[in-house]
Amino acid sequence: DTAVSQTPKYLVTQMGNDKSIKCEQNLGHDTMYWYKQDSKKFLKIMFSYNNKELIINETVPNRFSPKSPDKAHLNLHINSLELGDSAVYFCASRPRGKPGSYTFGSGTRLTVV
Amino acid sequence: QKEVEQNSGPLSVPEGAIASLNCTYSDRGSQSFFWYRQYSGKSPELIMFIYSNGDKEDGRFTAQLNKASQYVSLLIRDSQPSDSATYLCAGISGTYKYIFGTGTRLKVLA
Repeated sequence: DTAVSQTPKYLVTQMGNDKSIKCEQNLGHDTMYWYKQDSKKFLKIMFSYNNKELIINETVPNRFSPKSPDKAHLNLHINSLELGDSAVYFCASRPRGKPGSYTFGSGTRLTVV
Repeated sequence: QKEVEQNSGPLSVPEGAIASLNCTYSDRGSQSFFWYRQYSGKSPELIMFIYSNGDKEDGRFTAQLNKASQYVSLLIRDSQPSDSATYLCAGISGTYKYIFGTGTRLKVLA
């Protein structure tokens, strides 16, 4: 299936731990994103990569570090997790020349306890 | 002030009625606007986009853009219970920086 796939779908972890979320797209898109959606449904952009190059880096704590080994993958590593990191994290991608046509992954619900 | 604002709702409409969802934006440089639908527990999916002033129709959906007044709206005709979801408005600010609104929850009552 052509899609944006994220793993894991659910992640429950203790404060202070380090965790990673993986994202892969097989759509041939050039640009990938990480978004955070809080409990009020607000989707906030965190990072964007275009062909493995970081192009958007919003004001997020430096405990969050994206890594793009190739243009089909964009992973998110989070160090020293805090309670406020609990949210749903969405990966998305879009093709070149279509700034609005996002395809979202199914999301990773992160719960920090 | 949030760059893209929406009333969080819920907006309740009876089945068969027209649902009207509104969005205002603060960045006059924003040129393109998008409507996403997000079912509970699911990811957002793109349903409409609009670049020019006026109306754009796609099936039961009509997007409206008024750049002078800085608002975007989405009309859903003949609303169905399956349209019940959160609708997210998004605009592009600067170079491909996507700004989402907080979403409006729509409930279509059978």
